[in-house]
Amino acid sequence: DQQVKQNSPSLSVQEGRISILNCDYTNSMFDYFLWYKKYPAEGPTFLISISSIKDKNEDGRFTVFLNKSAKHLSLHIVPSQPGDSAVYFCARTGANNLFFGTGTRLTVIP
Amino acid sequence: EAQVTQNPRYLITVTGKKLTVTCSQNMNHEYMSWYRQDPGLGLRQIYYSMNVEVTDKGDVPEGYKVSRKEKRNFPLILESPSPNQTSLYFCASSPEGNTEAFFGQGTRLTVV
Repeated sequence: DQQVKQNSPSLSVQEGRISILNCDYTNSMFDYFLWYKKYPAEGPTFLISISSIKDKNEDGRFTVFLNKSAKHLSLHIVPSQPGDSAVYFCARTGANNLFFGTGTRLTVIP
Repeated sequence: EAQVTQNPRYLITVTGKKLTVTCSQNMNHEYMSWYRQDPGLGLRQIYYSMNVEVTDKGDVPEGYKVSRKEKRNFPLILESPSPNQTSLYFCASSPEGNTEAFFGQGTRLTVV
């Protein structure tokens, strides 16, 4: 049973425009959602998180939105830059671990 | 510098030949875990450890062993590797299991 789902395997966006990456979840018993970014030949690195008691968390160009009624999480990157090209994983916390989605490959076109 | 170090980065081996992938962290984290990344499947947890001498199965533990004799080290052992264990492996550590995890750079394993 996949706890989090990323239904878009890839996304291409023009430099300077907004990138929106989406994630759906199936279980409401959690504390945090997290987004990780992964470049080729590197491990995933933490990007931003949001608590289940919030609707929005912002850090510079990155904003995460949580819609609890729709069980939907999204990451907005504005403006998108070529260096943002990577695979993005959403994750949610469990009792003792993290559950990851399958990832979305973002390509930002210069 | 705070980091999680895995070795080796790349490994090609033959079916049935025992191997160990090492993982070490210098952040004094209680929690460590191993993941494998496969196309279309994302990151799946293999094993985790909440503290020294405390380990437990994740989502895909079959064919793997781990040990946690020291806080900083968490090796992944494949007693008899098979081709379906060809994958990209990541070690991670965190203060607790359900908090931000720090990942190593990965080990790409090919079993022929």
